[in-house]
Amino acid sequence: KQEVTQIPAALSVPEGENLVLNCSFTDSAIYNLQWFRQDPGKGLTSLLLIQSSQREQTSGRLNASLDKSSGRSTLYIAASQPGDSATYLCAVIGHGDGNKLVFGAGTILRVKS
Amino acid sequence: EAQVTQNPRYLITVTGKKLTVTCSQNMNHEYMSWYRQDPGLGLRQIYYSMNVEVTDKGDVPEGYKVSRKEKRNFPLILESPSPNQTSLYFCATARGIIYGYTFGSGTRLTVV
Repeated sequence: KQEVTQIPAALSVPEGENLVLNCSFTDSAIYNLQWFRQDPGKGLTSLLLIQSSQREQTSGRLNASLDKSSGRSTLYIAASQPGDSATYLCAVIGHGDGNKLVFGAGTILRVKS
Repeated sequence: EAQVTQNPRYLITVTGKKLTVTCSQNMNHEYMSWYRQDPGLGLRQIYYSMNVEVTDKGDVPEGYKVSRKEKRNFPLILESPSPNQTSLYFCATARGIIYGYTFGSGTRLTVV
C-alpha cells in the first residue's frame, strides 16, 4: 500500500529565504507526482506535475524534482514571500492505485514579513 | 475558462436528511473523483469514475453514492447523512491518469 510522507510538518521562515519541502513515497511504481497548495479552508491549487519519466518541473519561483528510484521529491521555493504561506501537499498516483491520488499530510509553511 | 464547479460551498444539515453535492466540469475530462478531507486523516478518496456509467469505490465509500450519467457531472449523494460525515469535500477531475488532477473549490458539510 502506497504511503506518502512529508517533512517537515511545519516550517516558519523569514521573507526572502529559499526553502525546500520534502516528500517521500514507499512504492516507486508511480504514474506521476503532483504538488498542491492549499490555503486554510480552501481548495487545492495544482502547482507542479511531474510525470514518472521526468526529473523536474519549474514554474516561476517553484522547482520540483523527482527521484523515482529512491521514492523522493522535493519542492524548492526561491525567495519566499508572505503570500507563499499555505499548506503544501504532495500526492502520487501509483500503478496499483487505480486513478487514486495518495496524499501526504502536508507541510504548513509560514513566511514572516 | 476551464473549471470544476462544486455546489453548494457550505451546507449545514440534520442527520438523516438526504442531500446531494454537485460537481460539474467543462474540460471534457474522463476521470472524476470525490475526496473528503478531515483533520489528522488528510485527503481520502470516496468514489471515482473513469467514464460515463463507470464508477467504483475508493477508500471510504460507506454512506455515499455517486452517479455518472453524463461526462461533465458527477454528483455525490448522501442518502442518510450522519455527523461523522461532517467534512470538507472535494471533487477532482483529470483528462487521464498521467495528466494530473484539477480540484474544485470544496464543499464544507456539517451534519448536526
